[in-house]
Amino acid sequence: NAGVTQTPKFQVLKTGQSMTLQCAQDMNHNSMYWYRQDPGMGLRLIYYSASEGTTDKGEVPNGYNVSRLNKREFSLRLESAAPSQTSVYFCASNGEVETQYFGPGTRLLVL
Amino acid sequence: DAKTTQPPSMDCAEGRAANLPCNHSTISGNEYVYWYRQIHSQGPQYIIHGLKNNETNEMASLIITEDRKSSTLILPHATLRDTAVYYCIVRVVFGGRGYQKVTFGTGTKLQVIP
Repeated sequence: NAGVTQTPKFQVLKTGQSMTLQCAQDMNHNSMYWYRQDPGMGLRLIYYSASEGTTDKGEVPNGYNVSRLNKREFSLRLESAAPSQTSVYFCASNGEVETQYFGPGTRLLVL
Repeated sequence: DAKTTQPPSMDCAEGRAANLPCNHSTISGNEYVYWYRQIHSQGPQYIIHGLKNNETNEMASLIITEDRKSSTLILPHATLRDTAVYYCIVRVVFGGRGYQKVTFGTGTKLQVIP
């Protein structure tokens, strides 16, 4: 049981490039989340998915798109990366009694 | 979701109890109190949660005031590995349907001192 996994662990992009951050969970959870965390700040919700086939915007959705591919996978796409999107990205899923399980994070640097 | 207020930082001597406060004066009757921690930029880790009664597990104890407007997370014997940012959040539990939008604040940075 791997829990929540994220790929890649680290990525460097140039401004304007695109990329997709991958997230998968093997705990059969319904809801999944994408957060970003900037230095000295708490977690900010980008998008979430209550169940397979549904997605909703969080606090900071601009510049991102998501896909809930199936119950296990929830991906985050940056279509045209900007330096302001330099951050650490965490994926999470919702378990029993609404506890959240987080992945190890993806560290993204946009030059 | 109700907002929470936590001190930005606290120190605790190794081996002593760490008491981390959280104010949630606007909490609703159906909102639970959850605590997470984040160790050195790893993904946050669930610690404990409760509604009204005090709770204890292998990691910590949670004390919720009778009016539910504040709570305290207690790490009974802090170790250096407990140095982390601790987040207090309040949220509704949707009866296991698993649908929840969660907002994290900036938390309390706990430094355990040797």
